[in-house]
Amino acid sequence: GENVEQHPSTLSVQEGDSAVIKCTYSDSASNYFPWYKQELGKRPQLIIDIRSNVGEKKDQRIAVTLNKTAKHFSLHITETQPEDSAVYFCAASIWSGNTGKLIFGQGTTLQVKP
Amino acid sequence: DAGVTQSPTHLIKTRGQQVTLRCSPKSGHDTVSWYQQALGQGPQFIFQYYEEEERQRGNFPDRFSGHQFPNYSSELNVNALLLGDSALYLCASSRGEEAFFGQGTRLTVV
Repeated sequence: GENVEQHPSTLSVQEGDSAVIKCTYSDSASNYFPWYKQELGKRPQLIIDIRSNVGEKKDQRIAVTLNKTAKHFSLHITETQPEDSAVYFCAASIWSGNTGKLIFGQGTTLQVKP
Repeated sequence: DAGVTQSPTHLIKTRGQQVTLRCSPKSGHDTVSWYQQALGQGPQFIFQYYEEEERQRGNFPDRFSGHQFPNYSSELNVNALLLGDSALYLCASSRGEEAFFGQGTRLTVV
């Protein structure tokens, strides 16, 4: 069945360092890949997404890369700040017409030490 | 814009009971999806509603059912509650691929 593997499960970095989270998906028909940030007790928030016709997308300190051949995608956060500390989830989706379901990875707990 | 709103925020039920959770989508959104998030896990897809019909369903038993109303709001119903149904239930609305989540309903089954 559809599956998304995410690693590492925990990541600790010093403030100002970069953080990289990697995900692999199983269904080659997947065409939409969002990343969500979830702080403790709060809702998942969409921070960046990429579609299958693009290899890379950047938004200020956050970037996502997609390798369709290898079926993996990664989140890169540069110049990390303590407020980046949260759980990050990747997801993959086969979006068609008005429907599509998100298959989530297991999450990465990012700790940024001041 | 109030964003996606869910009610109630917390709920405690007894095994065997039934529960109804509610979701109002973000303004302009017409698709509502429901997810179950167990502690320390990623959200798992339950089902998705568009034009008042269930369009896709995840690997959840028939005890889980839903509904979408003409104003695009949605309900999630769970019958014959089990202890294992305890989780955070998230509603996400979208118009296209980008899905925005509500704050969730924390369901505890005792």
